[in-house]
Amino acid sequence: TQLLEQSPQFLSIQEGENLTVYCNSSSVFSSLQWYRQEPGEGPVLLVTVVTGGEVKKLKRLTFQFGDARKDSSLHITAAQPGDTGLYLCAGRYGGSQGNLIFGKGTKLSVKP
Amino acid sequence: EAGVAQSPRYKIIEKRQSVAFWCNPISGHATLYWYQQILGQGPKLLIQFQNNGVVDDSQLPKDRFSAERLKGVDSTLKIQPAKLEDSAVYLCASSWTSGAKNIQYFGAGTRLSVL
Repeated sequence: TQLLEQSPQFLSIQEGENLTVYCNSSSVFSSLQWYRQEPGEGPVLLVTVVTGGEVKKLKRLTFQFGDARKDSSLHITAAQPGDTGLYLCAGRYGGSQGNLIFGKGTKLSVKP
Repeated sequence: EAGVAQSPRYKIIEKRQSVAFWCNPISGHATLYWYQQILGQGPKLLIQFQNNGVVDDSQLPKDRFSAERLKGVDSTLKIQPAKLEDSAVYLCASSWTSGAKNIQYFGAGTRLSVL
């Protein structure tokens, strides 16, 4: 059974601070996705990373895929209250047709 | 473009009762997924359909859960009888097809409370 570990589980910061969320597995991902989920809504895809060492940027969010494709990180610069939500990583194992395995998520709260 | 529609949004039942959830995917999406998200956890795949055929139901507790997508469009997920541990949000998602490059679009979910 593949497991995705996310850390930290909870994060409460002030507006303007930077933060990093981590996603780790003992298995190799064929690809990895990051989602954001707000209360009462379904997850919304932020990014997909496929190549080891890949870095993608989405405004103030920077996503990195580890060289060995076993880990990933999400860095937010100058967090805003609008960034508040549950950040989920989801790894795909066993090739492009494999199912997504989700981590437990990091619950981020950004206070004004 | 309309998103994935789910109903009802909330459902409260007593244990051993039955319940059904409905999902209408984005028009033209061949692949439909049902996920269970227990409080404090990430979504867990229950079943995946490609058109009206089941692709993966390995994590569906088949003694009490059933799902169908008869015409390859909308889908229902049923629990009979419900247990306390079935309390969760049931998310439906759809995508053009399966595979890594296809984006899954999620509905808002049905929050089930089993008392």
